[in-house]
Amino acid sequence: AQSVAQPEDQVNVAEGNPLTVKCTYSVSGNPYLFWYVQYPNRGLQFLLKYITGDNLVKGSYGFEAEFNKSQTSFHLKKPSALVSDSALYFCAVRDTFKNNNDMRFGAGTRLTVKP
Amino acid sequence: DSGVTQTPKHLITATGQRVTLRCSPRSGDLSVYWYQQSLDQGLQFLIQYYNGEERAKGNILERFSAQQFPDLHSELNLSSLELGDSALYFCASSVGGTLDNEQFFGPGTRLTVL
Repeated sequence: AQSVAQPEDQVNVAEGNPLTVKCTYSVSGNPYLFWYVQYPNRGLQFLLKYITGDNLVKGSYGFEAEFNKSQTSFHLKKPSALVSDSALYFCAVRDTFKNNNDMRFGAGTRLTVKP
Repeated sequence: DSGVTQTPKHLITATGQRVTLRCSPRSGDLSVYWYQQSLDQGLQFLIQYYNGEERAKGNILERFSAQQFPDLHSELNLSSLELGDSALYFCASSVGGTLDNEQFFGPGTRLTVL
Protein backbone atom coordinates (compact mmCIF):
# COMPACT_ATOMS: atom_id res chain seq x y z
CA ALA A 1 0.00 0.00 0.00
CA GLN A 2 1.13 3.52 -0.68
CA SER A 3 2.00 6.05 1.96
CA VAL A 4 3.07 9.65 2.10
CA ALA A 5 4.94 11.61 4.74
CA GLN A 6 5.24 15.30 5.41
CA PRO A 7 8.09 15.44 7.91
CA GLU A 8 7.42 19.00 9.09
CA ASP A 9 4.26 19.94 10.96
CA GLN A 10 5.10 23.60 10.67
CA VAL A 11 7.20 25.75 8.34
CA ASN A 12 7.88 29.42 9.03
CA VAL A 13 9.37 31.77 6.47
CA ALA A 14 9.68 35.50 6.02
CA GLU A 15 7.81 37.21 3.22
CA GLY A 16 9.93 37.43 0.11
CA ASN A 17 12.07 34.43 1.03
CA PRO A 18 11.92 31.11 -0.80
CA LEU A 19 9.83 28.38 0.76
CA THR A 20 9.96 24.60 0.66
CA VAL A 21 7.37 22.18 2.02
CA LYS A 22 8.65 18.62 2.05
CA CYS A 23 6.93 15.43 0.98
CA THR A 24 8.20 11.88 0.63
CA TYR A 25 6.25 8.88 -0.56
CA SER A 26 6.31 5.12 -0.77
CA VAL A 27 4.66 3.14 -3.59
CA SER A 28 4.95 -0.23 -5.26
CA GLY A 29 4.50 1.02 -8.81
CA ASN A 30 4.64 4.49 -10.30
CA PRO A 31 3.22 7.37 -8.28
CA TYR A 32 0.70 10.01 -9.10
CA LEU A 33 1.54 12.91 -6.80
CA PHE A 34 -0.50 15.93 -5.82
CA TRP A 35 -0.32 19.07 -3.72
CA TYR A 36 -3.41 20.68 -2.24
CA VAL A 37 -3.77 23.77 -0.06
CA GLN A 38 -6.40 24.39 2.61
CA TYR A 39 -7.19 27.87 3.84
CA PRO A 40 -8.99 28.35 7.18
CA ASN A 41 -12.59 27.13 7.13
CA ARG A 42 -12.34 26.18 3.46
CA GLY A 43 -12.10 23.01 1.46
CA LEU A 44 -8.91 21.92 -0.25
CA GLN A 45 -7.74 23.57 -3.44
CA PHE A 46 -5.67 21.81 -6.06
CA LEU A 47 -2.19 23.28 -6.63
CA LEU A 48 -0.41 20.90 -8.95
CA LYS A 49 0.17 17.27 -9.87
CA TYR A 50 2.81 14.98 -11.29
CA ILE A 51 1.64 12.13 -13.48
CA THR A 52 4.46 11.63 -15.95
CA GLY A 53 6.94 13.66 -17.99
CA ASP A 54 9.00 16.62 -16.82
CA ASN A 55 10.12 16.25 -13.22
CA LEU A 56 9.53 19.93 -12.52
CA VAL A 57 5.83 20.69 -12.31
CA LYS A 58 4.47 24.23 -12.25
CA GLY A 59 1.15 24.95 -10.58
CA SER A 60 -1.16 27.62 -9.30
CA TYR A 61 -0.13 30.81 -7.45
CA GLY A 62 3.54 30.51 -8.48
CA PHE A 63 4.11 27.16 -6.78
CA GLU A 64 6.15 24.39 -8.29
CA ALA A 65 7.24 20.92 -7.22
CA GLU A 66 10.04 18.62 -8.24
CA PHE A 67 9.56 14.90 -8.60
CA ASN A 68 12.69 13.03 -7.50
CA LYS A 69 12.36 9.32 -8.07
CA SER A 70 15.65 8.32 -6.46
CA GLN A 71 14.81 10.18 -3.26
CA THR A 72 11.07 9.37 -3.50
CA SER A 73 10.29 13.00 -2.85
CA PHE A 74 7.95 15.63 -4.23
CA HIS A 75 8.80 18.86 -2.41
CA LEU A 76 6.68 21.96 -2.95
CA LYS A 77 8.56 25.20 -3.61
CA LYS A 78 8.01 28.86 -4.27
CA PRO A 79 10.78 31.37 -5.01
CA SER A 80 9.26 34.25 -3.06
CA ALA A 81 6.70 33.67 -0.29
CA LEU A 82 3.68 35.89 0.30
CA VAL A 83 1.81 36.40 3.57
CA SER A 84 -1.29 35.14 1.73
CA ASP A 85 0.44 31.79 1.18
CA SER A 86 -0.06 31.03 4.88
CA ALA A 87 -2.23 27.90 4.95
CA LEU A 88 -2.22 24.14 5.47
CA TYR A 89 -0.57 22.17 2.67
CA PHE A 90 -1.26 18.53 1.88
CA CYS A 91 0.73 16.16 -0.27
CA ALA A 92 -1.13 13.14 -1.69
CA VAL A 93 -0.12 10.03 -3.58
CA ARG A 94 -1.79 7.37 -5.61
CA ASP A 95 0.05 4.14 -6.40
CA THR A 96 -0.65 2.96 -9.93
CA PHE A 97 0.46 -0.58 -9.13
CA LYS A 98 -2.22 -3.14 -10.00
CA ASN A 99 -4.89 -0.52 -10.65
CA ASN A 100 -4.91 0.59 -7.05
CA ASN A 101 -7.82 2.93 -6.45
CA ASP A 102 -6.84 4.39 -3.12
CA MET A 103 -5.37 7.82 -2.53
CA ARG A 104 -3.38 8.74 0.57
CA PHE A 105 -2.81 12.17 2.04
CA GLY A 106 -0.01 13.35 4.27
CA ALA A 107 -0.74 14.79 7.69
CA GLY A 108 -0.34 18.32 6.38
CA THR A 109 2.21 21.07 6.91
CA ARG A 110 1.16 24.44 8.26
CA LEU A 111 2.98 27.19 6.44
CA THR A 112 3.24 30.58 8.12
CA VAL A 113 4.68 33.49 6.17
CA LYS A 114 5.56 36.47 8.33
CA PRO A 115 5.68 40.02 7.02
CA ASP B 1 -15.87 29.11 -4.91
CA SER B 2 -15.19 25.62 -6.30
CA GLY B 3 -18.72 25.04 -7.58
CA VAL B 4 -19.18 22.03 -5.29
CA THR B 5 -21.93 22.46 -2.71
CA GLN B 6 -22.45 20.54 0.50
CA THR B 7 -25.34 20.56 2.94
CA PRO B 8 -25.70 20.99 5.81
CA LYS B 9 -22.72 23.08 6.92
CA HIS B 10 -22.99 21.89 10.49
CA LEU B 11 -24.65 18.89 12.04
CA ILE B 12 -24.92 18.03 15.72
CA THR B 13 -26.32 14.68 16.73
CA ALA B 14 -26.10 11.99 19.40
CA THR B 15 -24.32 8.66 19.52
CA GLY B 16 -26.23 5.84 17.88
CA GLN B 17 -28.02 8.12 15.46
CA ARG B 18 -27.93 8.17 11.66
CA VAL B 19 -27.26 11.20 9.45
CA THR B 20 -27.12 11.94 5.75
CA LEU B 21 -24.72 14.39 4.16
CA ARG B 22 -25.42 15.75 0.71
CA CYS B 23 -23.12 16.88 -2.08
CA SER B 24 -23.76 18.45 -5.47
CA PRO B 25 -20.78 18.29 -7.84
CA ARG B 26 -19.64 21.00 -10.23
CA SER B 27 -21.66 21.21 -13.40
CA GLY B 28 -20.29 18.64 -15.86
CA ASP B 29 -18.34 16.61 -13.31
CA LEU B 30 -19.18 12.92 -13.24
CA SER B 31 -17.11 11.83 -10.26
CA VAL B 32 -17.84 12.48 -6.61
CA TYR B 33 -15.41 11.69 -3.80
CA TRP B 34 -15.96 11.69 -0.06
CA TYR B 35 -13.26 12.46 2.52
CA GLN B 36 -13.13 12.58 6.30
CA GLN B 37 -10.83 15.06 8.05
CA SER B 38 -10.22 14.68 11.78
CA LEU B 39 -7.47 15.65 14.17
CA ASP B 40 -6.73 11.99 14.94
CA GLN B 41 -6.76 10.49 11.46
CA GLY B 42 -5.96 13.46 9.26
CA LEU B 43 -7.49 13.55 5.82
CA GLN B 44 -8.78 10.18 4.67
CA PHE B 45 -10.28 9.17 1.35
CA LEU B 46 -13.54 7.30 1.91
CA ILE B 47 -15.15 6.47 -1.40
CA GLN B 48 -15.60 7.57 -5.01
CA TYR B 49 -18.55 7.32 -7.36
CA TYR B 50 -18.38 7.85 -11.09
CA ASN B 51 -21.57 8.37 -13.08
CA GLY B 52 -23.66 6.54 -10.53
CA GLU B 53 -21.37 3.59 -9.86
CA GLU B 54 -18.85 2.97 -7.12
CA ARG B 55 -15.37 3.43 -8.59
CA ALA B 56 -12.93 3.36 -5.68
CA LYS B 57 -12.99 2.60 -2.00
CA GLY B 58 -10.70 3.86 0.73
CA ASN B 59 -10.93 3.70 4.52
CA ILE B 60 -14.70 3.68 4.73
CA LEU B 61 -16.30 1.97 7.70
CA GLU B 62 -19.08 -0.57 7.21
CA ARG B 63 -21.41 1.76 9.16
CA PHE B 64 -20.96 4.32 6.39
CA SER B 65 -22.42 4.11 2.91
CA ALA B 66 -22.78 6.38 -0.06
CA GLN B 67 -24.60 6.60 -3.34
CA GLN B 68 -24.70 8.79 -6.40
CA PHE B 69 -28.05 9.56 -7.97
CA PRO B 70 -28.98 9.98 -11.67
CA ASP B 71 -28.68 13.76 -11.37
CA LEU B 72 -25.10 13.10 -10.11
CA HIS B 73 -25.57 14.46 -6.61
CA SER B 74 -24.31 12.18 -3.88
CA GLU B 75 -25.23 11.33 -0.32
CA LEU B 76 -23.04 9.93 2.42
CA ASN B 77 -24.96 8.02 5.09
CA LEU B 78 -23.40 7.58 8.51
CA SER B 79 -25.13 5.24 10.93
CA SER B 80 -24.69 4.02 14.52
CA LEU B 81 -22.66 7.14 15.10
CA GLU B 82 -19.84 7.14 17.61
CA LEU B 83 -18.00 10.01 19.26
CA GLY B 84 -15.01 9.29 17.04
CA ASP B 85 -17.05 10.01 13.92
CA SER B 86 -16.97 13.70 14.77
CA ALA B 87 -15.05 15.26 11.89
CA LEU B 88 -15.20 17.48 8.87
CA TYR B 89 -16.57 15.61 5.86
CA PHE B 90 -15.57 16.88 2.45
CA CYS B 91 -17.01 16.11 -0.92
CA ALA B 92 -15.00 16.68 -4.08
CA SER B 93 -15.78 16.27 -7.76
CA SER B 94 -13.88 15.83 -10.99
CA VAL B 95 -14.67 15.44 -14.64
CA GLY B 96 -13.07 12.04 -15.10
CA GLY B 97 -13.29 8.82 -13.19
CA THR B 98 -9.68 8.15 -12.26
CA LEU B 99 -7.84 9.36 -9.19
CA ASP B 100 -5.31 11.34 -11.23
CA ASN B 101 -7.97 13.88 -12.09
CA GLU B 102 -7.84 17.31 -10.48
CA GLN B 103 -10.47 17.35 -7.74
CA PHE B 104 -12.55 20.34 -6.67
CA PHE B 105 -13.53 20.35 -3.03
CA GLY B 106 -16.67 21.61 -1.36
CA PRO B 107 -16.65 23.64 1.86
CA GLY B 108 -17.36 20.60 4.01
CA THR B 109 -19.91 19.48 6.59
CA ARG B 110 -18.82 19.62 10.20
CA LEU B 111 -20.32 16.70 12.11
CA THR B 112 -20.36 16.73 15.90
CA VAL B 113 -21.46 13.60 17.71
CA LEU B 114 -22.32 14.14 21.37
